[in-house]
Formats: sequence, C-alpha cells, structure tokens
Amino acid sequence: VQVVDSGGGLVKPGGSLRLSCEASGFTLNNAEVTWIRQAPGKGLEWVAHFNSKTANGATDYAAPVRGRFALSRDDSKNTLYLQMSSLNTEDTALYYCTTGHAGCWGQGTLVTVSS
Amino acid sequence: DVVMTQSPLSLPVTLGQPASLSCRSSHGLVYSDGNTYLSWFQQRPGQSPRRLIYQVSNRDSGVPDRFSGSGSGTDFTLKISRVEAEDVGVYYCMQLAHWPWTFGQGTKVEVK
Repeated sequence: VQVVDSGGGLVKPGGSLRLSCEASGFTLNNAEVTWIRQAPGKGLEWVAHFNSKTANGATDYAAPVRGRFALSRDDSKNTLYLQMSSLNTEDTALYYCTTGHAGCWGQGTLVTVSS
Repeated sequence: DVVMTQSPLSLPVTLGQPASLSCRSSHGLVYSDGNTYLSWFQQRPGQSPRRLIYQVSNRDSGVPDRFSGSGSGTDFTLKISRVEAEDVGVYYCMQLAHWPWTFGQGTKVEVK
C-alpha cells in the first residue's frame, strides 16, 4: 500500500491549485483517503476525508476549507484529487495524502500562497 | 470539536532511559463500533509522520516493541521503554472517533 501526493506549488492569494494522490496497492473505490496538512513549523491539521466504502462515496471537510476545497477521483488513474480554490496565506502548508486511518502517508506536497 | 491536549510539550530524555507521553481528550473516544480510536504518530526531523500505534495499544508493523500505548476514556499514554537516538522527534496523538479528526499539539522528544 502506497500513496504518492503531488501538485503543490506557489500560488497567489485568491488562486487555485489541484493536488493529486495516486494510490498503489489498493483501489480508491474501496478505500478511505484523508488529506492532512502541516503549516511551516506547526502541528498537524485534518483537512478532508473521502470514504468510498459508503453508499455515496462520502466526503467531509474541515471548517476552514469547507466550500473552498473539493475532492474528486479518477478511477482509471486510481487517483484522488483535492481541488483548492480561493486560497489564502493561511493555506500555506505541506499537504499529506494518507490512507488506512492515517496508517500510510505520502511524502507531502508543499503549497505556498503568497503574492 | 474534540480537543486533544498533550503533555509535556518538550521532553528531554537520557538515552537508554524510559519516557512517558500523555494525551488527554475533551470527549470520550469510543466509536459506535465499540473501538477506541486514538492513534500515536512519530515525526522525525524532515520526515513525514509515521503512525506507531492505533486504537490505543496496537503497534503498527515494523514499530519496535519498546513503544507501547495504553489508556481509556479520555486519558492515554505512549511509553518508550528505553529511548534510542532514532526516537528523537515530535510525537502527536490523534482522535478518529469524532468528526473532525483532531490532533494534539505534539510533544518534542530530544536528547539531554
């Protein structure tokens, strides 16, 4: 089981970015995937969760990102996406894709929001 | 939201000696399936976090047996029986029983 996260970069406030989480060793149509972020020098913060094991593929978002971030998936690529919009400086962080109740972590992808 | 409070925030340790890290939750962490969803993570400098313990006391594969987790209700503990140099880093507890999942602020373990 492995997840590889990518897609981070430098974006201006108000901009958008899409992060990817490519899964291997398991299929996204029978999994739970969680995005967790870590601002520079700070602790860990849960961001979003996807659970394909529920009837309608339930998603949930942390209050600071709800309405701005959205999860989607491409089964042909076994990849989950985190579409981030209306970004602000407080979204600057290393974003980790995790699975298995955070038992498996990606290497992290850095998102920097700055003018 | 469930508040997770870790103590101490900094823990200087002597190599070969035991260490004990505390995590307290503002609500009980028993889920509707009867399991208690409290995990411990280790983050070495410059690395991704790594889960050590899940459901209070279950060690993940490859985790040395000097790490052990215990507790119930709202009071949980991670113990390192004999600290080794590779154990230096920040340790986080996390609850997965209630949405949103929440983390403690971390305990930094460093060598004296």
